[in-house]
Amino acid sequence: NAGVTQTPKFQVLKTGQSMTLQCAQDMNHNSMYWYRQDPGMGLRLIYYSASEGTTDKGEVPNGYNVSRLNKREFSLRLESAAPSQTSVYFCASSVRQQGAEAFFGQGTRLTVV
Amino acid sequence: SQQGEEDPQALSIQEGENATMNCSYKTSINNLQWYRQNSGRGLVHLILIRSNEREKHSGRLRVTLDTSKKSSSLLITASRAADTASYFCATGNSGGYQKVTFGIGTKLQVIP
Repeated sequence: NAGVTQTPKFQVLKTGQSMTLQCAQDMNHNSMYWYRQDPGMGLRLIYYSASEGTTDKGEVPNGYNVSRLNKREFSLRLESAAPSQTSVYFCASSVRQQGAEAFFGQGTRLTVV
Repeated sequence: SQQGEEDPQALSIQEGENATMNCSYKTSINNLQWYRQNSGRGLVHLILIRSNEREKHSGRLRVTLDTSKKSSSLLITASRAADTASYFCATGNSGGYQKVTFGIGTKLQVIP
């Protein structure tokens, strides 16, 4: 049982390049989330998908787009990477949006130079 | 801004001692969760306590919730070196959409 799988684990981008972070869960969860973690800032929600077919902005959505491809997969796209997007990105899923534990992937460490 | 704020930000104890971490939050909540993060890894869920509960136990973990003070505490008893990690509280708000907001964490070091 893989849980939540993120790819890639590490990535270095040049300013202005684009990339997509992939996330897949095999737990049949309805809700999926993308967070970024920066030192001293905790985890901040970028986008979430309460259920298949819906996506909504979180706390820090600027510079990002998401796609809920199907129930399993939720991708995060950086259209034009900026150094301020250097961070560790975590995907998470939960069986429902209300009052349920979230399961996290191992993270993607992204550096934008 | 963060909803939950953990205190202390760093804690160093000897193996076998108890570790207590606190979380304060600002607005009304539906539930509060505690997570652990080992260095370089994703977060792992530890325990969830609902707003109508006051205390919950799971193995060596004890969580309390005081909604009147808008605070929660996580107690780890008989700590082990493997408990070395960062601990985060996450609050789920009341209302239709649950926004889960994480604090910045408490970094716990357990010295063997």
